[in-house]
Amino acid sequence: QSVLTQPPSVSAAPGQKVTISCSGSSSNIGNNYVSWYQQLPGTTPKLLIYENNKRPSGIPDRFSGSKSGTSATLGITGLQTGDEADYYCGTWDSSLSAGVFGGGTKLTVL
Amino acid sequence: EVQLVESGGGLVKPGGSLRLSCAASGFTFSSYSMNWVRQAPGKGLEWVSSISSSSSYIYYADSVKGRFTISRDNAKNSLYLQMNSLRAEDTAVYYCARVTSSGPELWGQGTMVTVSS
Repeated sequence: QSVLTQPPSVSAAPGQKVTISCSGSSSNIGNNYVSWYQQLPGTTPKLLIYENNKRPSGIPDRFSGSKSGTSATLGITGLQTGDEADYYCGTWDSSLSAGVFGGGTKLTVL
Repeated sequence: EVQLVESGGGLVKPGGSLRLSCAASGFTFSSYSMNWVRQAPGKGLEWVSSISSSSSYIYYADSVKGRFTISRDNAKNSLYLQMNSLRAEDTAVYYCARVTSSGPELWGQGTMVTVSS
């Protein structure tokens, strides 16, 4: 059971928009930055969003992040088949003194 | 080129030991905290351990506490994970990752650890 809760799967058609939620608590999301990672099949995780809503260089603005209270959301617009991947949220938990990840969300672009 | 390269994975029997290494290049290794993160086959990401830039602060997941030891050698630009008393449930790809205020930002390609008799 992951400390952060994500939906196991989401799906949408090419060109559409999808959001992936990440729910936590005051000891993790509520008081720490959230990152989002994309893991394409058979590859290493890649940073998509850091500090809740910032994109590293090279990440298209189709990807966005937001945080409100103890939840965070990853948004992807203009879906492409190449976006099919597992997406993870992550942060630090100040009570556990541990890094924590969500269980991951599998995105299917129909 | 900025990169992290893990090594040291392999097949080990339950109860055995293994030492993973992570070689950093292309950036000032001594300025960054580092993490080990693992991923069991077909499963999600699991944070394992963190070490601050000067080794002053070290943290472990409960699942590995007392069995794993994280360390670093800033002169050699290297991160290590000593794994003892290995169990079947430790079987995973182990990634080293450079950390910022927001968590892991740069990941290595991973090294596979298989614990099986």
